[in-house]
Amino acid sequence: GNSVTQMEGPVTLSEEAFLTINCTYTATGYPSLFWYVQYPGEGLQLLLKATKADDKGSNKGFEATYRKETTSFHLEKGSVQVSDSAVYFCALSEKTSYDKVIFGPGTSLSVIP
Amino acid sequence: GAVVSQHPSRVICKSGTSVKIECRSLDFQATTMFWYRQFPKQSLMLMATSNEGSKATYEQGVEKDKFLINHASLTLSTLTVTSAHPEDSSFYICSGSQETQYFGPGTRLLVL
Repeated sequence: GNSVTQMEGPVTLSEEAFLTINCTYTATGYPSLFWYVQYPGEGLQLLLKATKADDKGSNKGFEATYRKETTSFHLEKGSVQVSDSAVYFCALSEKTSYDKVIFGPGTSLSVIP
Repeated sequence: GAVVSQHPSRVICKSGTSVKIECRSLDFQATTMFWYRQFPKQSLMLMATSNEGSKATYEQGVEKDKFLINHASLTLSTLTVTSAHPEDSSFYICSGSQETQYFGPGTRLLVL
């Protein structure tokens, strides 16, 4: 079945450090890929998405590239801020985004001043 | 992006009572809505998929008589936790689909 694997956290970084959160997926078809962010006590917000191979999603300084050959969608940011502290979920959706979303386990990020 | 709201944001109830959670798509019509459950420090687990005007499709292991879902219109879906018990305490999140899934802010349920 379809699944998403993420690097285990928690991840603690100093402000302005480079961030990478690894994500790999298993899917039978050609899924759409997403990164969602959840701030403490809140629901999920879509951070970025990519719908086909080699697409790059980007938002708020975060980027992720859909790599079909390595079935990966790693999240990167060049310089993190304290306000980026949150839990990040990698996710996939088969066929179209109307289909159910399968989430990875989440990676908690803490950025310290 | 599209906005999904949930009400209430927090609810505390006594064991044995029923609790209704509303999920509304505020600026779009959501033919399909999803209900998720999230335990502390864990990922979201899909409970059910609801399509407007039809019965919800429940994921394996989710009791449909325990978690009643109604999707009466294109902008409203409700989840009722019947005869709630402390183990039902959790964070419940809904989402509505319009090309991309948009998530509500979640409802924190505490059953005493």
